[in-house]
Amino acid sequence: EPEVTQTPSHQVTQMGQEVILRCVPISNHLYFYWYRQILGQKVEFLVSFYNNEISEKSEIFDDQFSVERPDGSNFTLKIRSTKLEDSAMYFCASKPTGSLRYEQYFGPGTRLTVT
Amino acid sequence: AQTVTQSQPEMSVQEAETVTLSCTYDTSESDYYLFWYKQPPSRQMILVIRQEAYKQQNATENRFSVNFQKAAKSFSLKISDSQLGDAAMYFCAYRSAWVGGGSNYKLTFGKGTLLTVNP
Repeated sequence: EPEVTQTPSHQVTQMGQEVILRCVPISNHLYFYWYRQILGQKVEFLVSFYNNEISEKSEIFDDQFSVERPDGSNFTLKIRSTKLEDSAMYFCASKPTGSLRYEQYFGPGTRLTVT
Repeated sequence: AQTVTQSQPEMSVQEAETVTLSCTYDTSESDYYLFWYKQPPSRQMILVIRQEAYKQQNATENRFSVNFQKAAKSFSLKISDSQLGDAAMYFCAYRSAWVGGGSNYKLTFGKGTLLTVNP
């Protein structure tokens, strides 16, 4: 069964450094998302991406964040200058069109630790 | 904006017993989807069950069923014959049915309920 994959599973970085979190969505999906979950808290929407552009972003998704689909298969989240409060689990999700259009498929997540 | 509330931070159940997790939501929309996601210790988000708001019939997936009360904006999850593998964090989530330009479909999550299954 196809699945969303994410790399790395755990990333440790120093405050102020840039990080890139990578996701490979399911191949025929057209909608892509990033969510964030700070430890012990709820999952929060960051950004959605469709047709090679951001379709919606939350208040969390400020100028330090960017997303890209560089090669038609990967979907990346970049944090330009990490802060301690960026430490969280980051989930990528993708969604198909068609009869299953309402279901998002989540990747296993990347745990980001900013020290 | 839509909000999702899970008022039970933690629940526990004996193996083979039944447990119900509560979820309420607030929306002004008439058409939407509701979901329960399971997050085991591995942190992977797994879809458990979904409900379309336009359907009156409650969704069922094997041992999992929902009690959807649209007027009350309530969406509870019932787990029957609980198993040790059901132990996880459970999140209720909301998604609009109508999205402008067909380009969003974001999920709004509750804070979750941690379910413990006792042998």
